[in-house]
Amino acid sequence: NAGVMQNPRHLVRRRGQEARLRCSPMKGHSHVYWYRQLPEEGLKFMVYLQKENIIDESGMPKERFSAEFPKEGPSILRIQQVVRGDSAAYFCASSPRPSGLLETQYFGPGTRLLVL
Amino acid sequence: DQQVKQNSPSLSVQEGRISILNCDYTNSMFDYFLWYKKYPAEGPTFLISISSIKDKNEDGRFTVFLNKSAKHLSLHIVPSQPGDSAVYFCAARETGTYKYIFGTGTRLKVLA
Repeated sequence: NAGVMQNPRHLVRRRGQEARLRCSPMKGHSHVYWYRQLPEEGLKFMVYLQKENIIDESGMPKERFSAEFPKEGPSILRIQQVVRGDSAAYFCASSPRPSGLLETQYFGPGTRLLVL
Repeated sequence: DQQVKQNSPSLSVQEGRISILNCDYTNSMFDYFLWYKKYPAEGPTFLISISSIKDKNEDGRFTVFLNKSAKHLSLHIVPSQPGDSAVYFCAARETGTYKYIFGTGTRLKVLA
């Protein structure tokens, strides 16, 4: 009964490189959410996806950030041309039920991105 | 604008006593509230939740209380155990949306 899986757990990039973060939801879950946690802060919502659809990306920065959840395979959060301010822990969560109901989101262990 | 506030960054409690963690919110459109526990270098672990139509929900040693008129949420842990030492986040969801709004967390330390 695997939980939400994220990889890599740690990622180091130099300024200007691309970061690609992967998330495999729990079995039977088709709803994925991405959050970012800066040091000493709470988690901040970034984007909500269902298979092949972006439902809510209101928390995503307008530039350099993109997310996808293809029909097959994990959800991907992509950060292009990373800057030092992108250094943070990125958490993925998944839920089983359709949007609009009171569903609980279950979180993965996170990817800690460090931009040098 | 911080819609969910946890004003106590840390709390120390003796083993066996009650831990009370507090959370205040400003948005009257929140309809679902949750508490998560987080250990260092791990993701948040779901603990307990409550919908806005209830004022109390209990699960073992954990009880969540919701006071809608005061826009206040609290988590009671009794009895507290050393393994409860972690950062606790409260989160809230606005009706019709899908995102959780998190507080900044309270670090609980249970002393043996």
